[in-house]
Amino acid sequence: AQKITQTQPGMFVQEKEAVTLDCTYDTSDPSYGLFWYKQPSSGEMIFLIYQGSYDQQNATEGRYSLNFQKARKSANLVISASQLGDSAMYFCAISTMNTGFQKLVFGTGTRLLVSP
Amino acid sequence: DAGVIQSPRHEVTEMGQEVTLRCKPISGHNSLFWYRQTMMRGLELLIYFNNNVPIDDSGMPEDRFSAKMPNASFSTLKIQPSEPRDSAVYFCASPTDLTSGSSYNEQFFGPGTRLTVL
Repeated sequence: AQKITQTQPGMFVQEKEAVTLDCTYDTSDPSYGLFWYKQPSSGEMIFLIYQGSYDQQNATEGRYSLNFQKARKSANLVISASQLGDSAMYFCAISTMNTGFQKLVFGTGTRLLVSP
Repeated sequence: DAGVIQSPRHEVTEMGQEVTLRCKPISGHNSLFWYRQTMMRGLELLIYFNNNVPIDDSGMPEDRFSAKMPNASFSTLKIQPSEPRDSAVYFCASPTDLTSGSSYNEQFFGPGTRLTVL
């Protein structure tokens, strides 16, 4: 079975600084996808970024980038130039080929607080 | 596109009552997922459907929970009888495309239903 571990319950960062949110995963499947979602205090789940296990380059989406280290089974989210609006819960998730990529398994999340 | 629509947004009920949560997936998406989010257990997959057929209901906590998808544009999650420990936020999500075999499976979430069982 696949598993996501997010070891940081909370992170603090000052506005305009970069922050890294950790995510490690466990799967025996060679083919998988990794996702990050943001959940602001309003409660909705917002998709941020995706990384496929065979992708050669780290994914980037605007201020978000994914530091994918396959050998270490880590998929850390890097937010550059933090903004106050980045304060939210962040969830890492995985889907694997053995489930037909049909199920997302989520981590427990990291709460990010951006201060002025 | 209006995105995934859920109703009601908030539900407060008393223990023992029946609760029905509703979801309308994104038009053209053939799959639908129901999740439950609590502080203690995080985000849990309850059940998902492909082409209106339940594929995996192993996350449904017990027989008090049932879900249906009578057509491609509507699904319900029913709890009968409800208990205080069912209090949670229930999300419905529809993914991009589960039939392509691609690992890219972005799930579009609805706004959630916050359920409180007194």
